[in-house]
Amino acid sequence: AQSVTQLGSHVSVSEGALVLLRCNYSSSVPPYLFWYVQYPNQGLQLLLKYTTGATLVKGINGFEAEFKKSETSFHLTKPSAHMSDAAEYFCAVSVRSGGYNKLIFGAGTRLAVHP
Amino acid sequence: EAGVAQSPRYKIIEKRQSVAFWCNPISGHATLYWYQQILGQGPKLLIQFQNNGVVDDSQLPKDRFSAERLKGVDSTLKIQPAKLEDSAVYLCASSLFQTLTGSQETQYFGPGTRLLVL
Repeated sequence: AQSVTQLGSHVSVSEGALVLLRCNYSSSVPPYLFWYVQYPNQGLQLLLKYTTGATLVKGINGFEAEFKKSETSFHLTKPSAHMSDAAEYFCAVSVRSGGYNKLIFGAGTRLAVHP
Repeated sequence: EAGVAQSPRYKIIEKRQSVAFWCNPISGHATLYWYQQILGQGPKLLIQFQNNGVVDDSQLPKDRFSAERLKGVDSTLKIQPAKLEDSAVYLCASSLFQTLTGSQETQYFGPGTRLLVL
């Protein structure tokens, strides 16, 4: 069965530092992978997604992620953290069920950015 | 373009009471999803509609949860009777469509309804 593991439920970085949020997946078929961000008291917003093609995917707000099949990983990075990046981040994999796709989410990583 | 609307935003009830949540998806979106997000966990899909038909309700506790999307637009999710463990945020999402070949349309999420069962 497909699943997603996010390493580290809490990550804290300094403003201007590199952001690295880890995501590993298990899938028996080539996966579709997603990163979503959730700000307090809001719904989820898509940051980026990998379907096919280029393995380095660029998203909104300066985030990017690289699909590494050999490592079954899809880690999210941003070169320089901003205070506004503080939020919860969810990695998700798309699975086929009953002829349709559905998302399986990881448990999330809460990112704190301090001055 | 208006986003996914949900109401109410917050609800507090006592166990064994009933509660209903409402969702209005983005105009033209054929696929609608209800997720349950328990504190400290990622969202879990409860039910997925394609127009007004259910395509996946495998994770819906059918003894107490029900959902409908009668005209293929708005949807309601009901819990009757509620249990303490139903305390969570209930998220509604929508996407343009899904085809049987598996297109990956982006899901757009509403702000959620935060339910507390006492």
